[in-house]
Amino acid sequence: GDSVTQMEGPVTLSEEAFLTINCTYTATGYPSLFWYVQYPGEGLQLLLKATKADDKGSNKGFEATYRKETTSFHLEKGSVQVSDSAVYFCALSSTGGFKTIFGAGTRLFVKA
Amino acid sequence: GAGVSQSPSNKVTEKGKDVELRCDPISGHTALYWYRQRLGQGLEFLIYFQGNSAPDKSGLPSDRFSAERTGESVSTLTIQRTQQEDSAVYLCASSLDGPYGYTFGSGTRLTVV
Repeated sequence: GDSVTQMEGPVTLSEEAFLTINCTYTATGYPSLFWYVQYPGEGLQLLLKATKADDKGSNKGFEATYRKETTSFHLEKGSVQVSDSAVYFCALSSTGGFKTIFGAGTRLFVKA
Repeated sequence: GAGVSQSPSNKVTEKGKDVELRCDPISGHTALYWYRQRLGQGLEFLIYFQGNSAPDKSGLPSDRFSAERTGESVSTLTIQRTQQEDSAVYLCASSLDGPYGYTFGSGTRLTVV
């Protein structure tokens, strides 16, 4: 069945460091890919998405490129801030599917 | 409403008791989803509603779990005879356009003691 695997956390970075959170997926067909973020005490929010191969999703300085050849959708940010501290979830929705499958989440701590 | 509202935010219950969790989706969102998040784990799909019907109930972990939705709005997730392994955060999400962008509620943290 479809699945999402993302790097285990926690990831601890200093402010202004470069961030990469790896995500790979297994799916039939051409899924849509998502990153969701959960800030402390809040619900999950959609951060960015990409619906076809080679698309780049971007939002709030974060970006991720849909790589079909490597079945990956790694999340990157050039310079993290303390306010980026949160749990990040990679997710996919299969072609014609109605539900989203989530990875286990990666907790990010950014130190001032 | 402005967002997805879930209640209660926290619930502690004794093993064997029944609990009811409520979700108020964003007005006009026809799709509604329930997920479960155990500590340190990813989100586990439970059930999906399109309007008032539930095309897929396969994610419900046992027959102790049931859910309904009335009036294309409020949904309730009921867990009967709760067990300790039911302890988790139960998340509700709604969507206007299917899986292409959910809005999640803040969840109900259920603790079974």
